[in-house]
Amino acid sequence: GQNIDQPTEMTATEGAIVQINCTYQTSGFNGLFWYQQHAGEAPTFLSYNVLDGLEEKGRFSSFLSRSKGYSYLLLKELQMKDSASYLCAVRGSGGFKTIFGAGTRLFVKA
Amino acid sequence: DTGVSQNPRHKITKRGQNVTFRCDPISEHNRLYWYRQTLGQGPEFLTYFQNEAQLEKSRLLSDRFSAERPKGSFSTLEIQRTEQGDSAMYLCASSLSGGGFDQPQHFGDGTRLSIL
Repeated sequence: GQNIDQPTEMTATEGAIVQINCTYQTSGFNGLFWYQQHAGEAPTFLSYNVLDGLEEKGRFSSFLSRSKGYSYLLLKELQMKDSASYLCAVRGSGGFKTIFGAGTRLFVKA
Repeated sequence: DTGVSQNPRHKITKRGQNVTFRCDPISEHNRLYWYRQTLGQGPEFLTYFQNEAQLEKSRLLSDRFSAERPKGSFSTLEIQRTEQGDSAMYLCASSLSGGGFDQPQHFGDGTRLSIL
């Protein structure tokens, strides 16, 4: 079957660094996405990985290891506004269906 | 770029009624997706269009659900004979194909359906 696992909740302090992990088992692989979703709002795109390695975009970085079925999202210099759910999503091969994880709720405290 | 627009934002209806939602994607996007999201969960894939063709439909989608994208622009999602379990946020997303890699999906604000 297809499955995406990520921690349910995490708490971190303003100004710190936090790493949100994601492991996946899917039918084929055609890219991994990270989205941010604030409560009551639509998901917004953060990053995309299709090859192994690290993609950096400002305060956000995402890493992928296809052989391990593993990714992480790294958030640096945390701000209160980073409190949100972070969704890991994988697109399998042979189609355009995207499977989302349940999301990790991040709480940033002062 | 006006973004993905969904209407209505909220829909409250009695069990057994039919409901229809509309999604207007970003104008140049040829791919359109429908998802359902419940509290504490990620979006669950329902169906996908490339232009006007419905290319994939979740096996979780019962026969009460139907989606169309008649001219390859806006799309509608209809739920017939609604049930309590249909209460959820229905999200639409669109993306652009091509460019040598997969393009990210842009989501609308969703339609929140409440079944009484």
